[in-house]
Amino acid sequence: SQQGEEDPQALSIQEGENATMNCSYKTSINNLQWYRQNSGRGLVHLILIRSNEREKHSGRLRVTLDTSKKSSSLLITASRAADTASYFCATDPGSARQLTFGSGTQLTVLP
Amino acid sequence: NAGVMQNPRHLVRRRGQEARLRCSPMKGHSHVYWYRQLPEEGLKFMVYLQKENIIDESGMPKERFSAEFPKEGPSILRIQQVVRGDSAAYFCASSMYQETQYFGPGTRLLVL
Repeated sequence: SQQGEEDPQALSIQEGENATMNCSYKTSINNLQWYRQNSGRGLVHLILIRSNEREKHSGRLRVTLDTSKKSSSLLITASRAADTASYFCATDPGSARQLTFGSGTQLTVLP
Repeated sequence: NAGVMQNPRHLVRRRGQEARLRCSPMKGHSHVYWYRQLPEEGLKFMVYLQKENIIDESGMPKERFSAEFPKEGPSILRIQQVVRGDSAAYFCASSMYQETQYFGPGTRLLVL
């Protein structure tokens, strides 16, 4: 599988519930980033976690990084219908090179 | 401070025509990246440019595709003799210090 694979591919939850998405990658990274994409729109940067960090918070978002397992998770707490979107993780190997994106998790939050 | 701007937002071309996609980075950003997204897939890196230089074009198809980022003006992604398989969303991103990349709204190319 390619670098930055998200799991699950699709997730459907009720408003108010928490949503957890996972990302696995293969090679070493400088940082890992999560993006959101609403249908037919561009990507919105959510959060960046560096390789020497284990956890980071931003509002209702919580990101963890386990470099030994080459995995990351994105937790969205108290989800809202407006959180419905595709979520992508992207790995950054450093040296100003390209981001490598996974295929995304499609999150649907039902009102 | 305006975000990354791309135009056109939608572009329809017939097979064999040329497509030109433009990207204006955020003010102060000198690094530009182009990505392509096929339906239901993640973004795939194409090319990374700084002003007047192509830094990494490892994701660019060897033929028909070219990119530039001139000293003045926007970055241009050019696709010559388009084929149906080129239909996709093309996103541009810019960064200042080579970390967080800010994405534009994308150009959706449809080849008939």
